[in-house]
Amino acid sequence: QSVLTQPPSVSGTPGQRVTISCSGGSSNIESNYVCWYQHLPGTAPKLLIYNNDQRPSGVPDRFSGSKSGTSASLAIGGLRSEDEADYYCAAWDDTLSGYVFGTGTKVTVL
Amino acid sequence: QVQLQQWGAGLLKPSETLSLTCAVYGGSFSDYYWNWIRQPPGKGLEWVGEIDHNGRSNYNPSLKGRVTISADTSKSQFSLKVTSVTAADTAVYFCARDGRNGIEVWGRGTTVTVSS
Repeated sequence: QSVLTQPPSVSGTPGQRVTISCSGGSSNIESNYVCWYQHLPGTAPKLLIYNNDQRPSGVPDRFSGSKSGTSASLAIGGLRSEDEADYYCAAWDDTLSGYVFGTGTKVTVL
Repeated sequence: QVQLQQWGAGLLKPSETLSLTCAVYGGSFSDYYWNWIRQPPGKGLEWVGEIDHNGRSNYNPSLKGRVTISADTSKSQFSLKVTSVTAADTAVYFCARDGRNGIEVWGRGTTVTVSS
């Protein structure tokens, strides 16, 4: 049972903007950086966002992250078919002394 | 470019010990945290634990002391052992590098199945 809660699924049409929420608590999101990962079946996850809102080199600026209090969100603008994947938020948890992943959100492009 | 190559037994019986190793190629072993992450079938990602080059480790409390991660800095390798495995340990296991700016380098994953 993860301490970071995400909606199970989000969908949108090509070109649309979608957002994924990640709800946590004072020991994880509120006090530590949040990362977001994209995971396609059969492949290794890919880091999309680090330090709440920073994009690694090569990640399109269609992907953006934000954080406020005990929640974070990932926005995907200009949705494309190749964005169909599972997305996970993650953060260090001071109480657990460990890294925690969110429950995961499946993005579907209609 | 850093690459992680992982290997280990893919089929285990209940109560056996899972053992996986990950080798780091093309980059420094120092200054990073080396992680194991798993994904059970049909479920999400689960952090297993990490180790740094000084041997300091952290583990997921839910694994209840069954996990040990070790590192061999001379070979730029780190390993995972999980004792007394059950079907619940069936998963794809990834080794990965965390530079404290996110887990940015991942191995390809190893499928481990626990079945009698």
